[in-house]
Amino acid sequence: GAGVSQSPSNKVTEKGKDVELRCDPISGHTALYWYRQSLGQGLEFLIYFQGNSAPDKSGLPSDRFSAERTGGSVSTLTIQRTQQEDSAVYLCASRRQGEGTGELFFGEGSRLTVL
Amino acid sequence: KQEVTQIPAALSVPEGENLVLNCSFTDSAIYNLQWFRQDPGKGLTSLLLIQSSQREQTSGRLNASLDKSSGRSTLYIAASQPGDSATYLCAVGMDSNYQLIWGAGTKLIIKP
Repeated sequence: GAGVSQSPSNKVTEKGKDVELRCDPISGHTALYWYRQSLGQGLEFLIYFQGNSAPDKSGLPSDRFSAERTGGSVSTLTIQRTQQEDSAVYLCASRRQGEGTGELFFGEGSRLTVL
Repeated sequence: KQEVTQIPAALSVPEGENLVLNCSFTDSAIYNLQWFRQDPGKGLTSLLLIQSSQREQTSGRLNASLDKSSGRSTLYIAASQPGDSATYLCAVGMDSNYQLIWGAGTKLIIKP
């Protein structure tokens, strides 16, 4: 697609429910990142996918968080048993690899509100 | 460990002024540096990407410079407009295959 697409744009859920957030990166971008941004805060790295390599999950805050990337394209971030502190905007970004590239492009984000 | 700092945290200037936003980093062995803007409630928009071999990049009224030896990058905005009001973030890439190290951002307000 023309840009990074994220869905849903807004999600309101009740505490304890599971949620899935989707990211469709720019076609041909092999690197995909998930970030979280709480209100008034900076970007918090969650997870990084690069091609067929094992993902870097070092930023995931707890085992309730998981992510997968199918076929090297679309990624899904899953939050199980949501808590109120999970409320934030979840941002996905993608980029190409290789020399002279590396510019990061972001989606509009998925705003999650846990009641 | 790379640390990225943006000063000031907030800046308010009258419309029409030229201004400079600063980004400093502690480890000069960077791969690239990227400037973004973020509007309230929105995602991030890439403004300029400077590779480690470059000294500056320009796009319209924006000019970003990079001085690796001193660990600094500046984003120069000429003839500021109210539409430039946003939070500006810089991010340092340490290699071609990995994540960026982010500054906390500078919130810019341009007063009409």
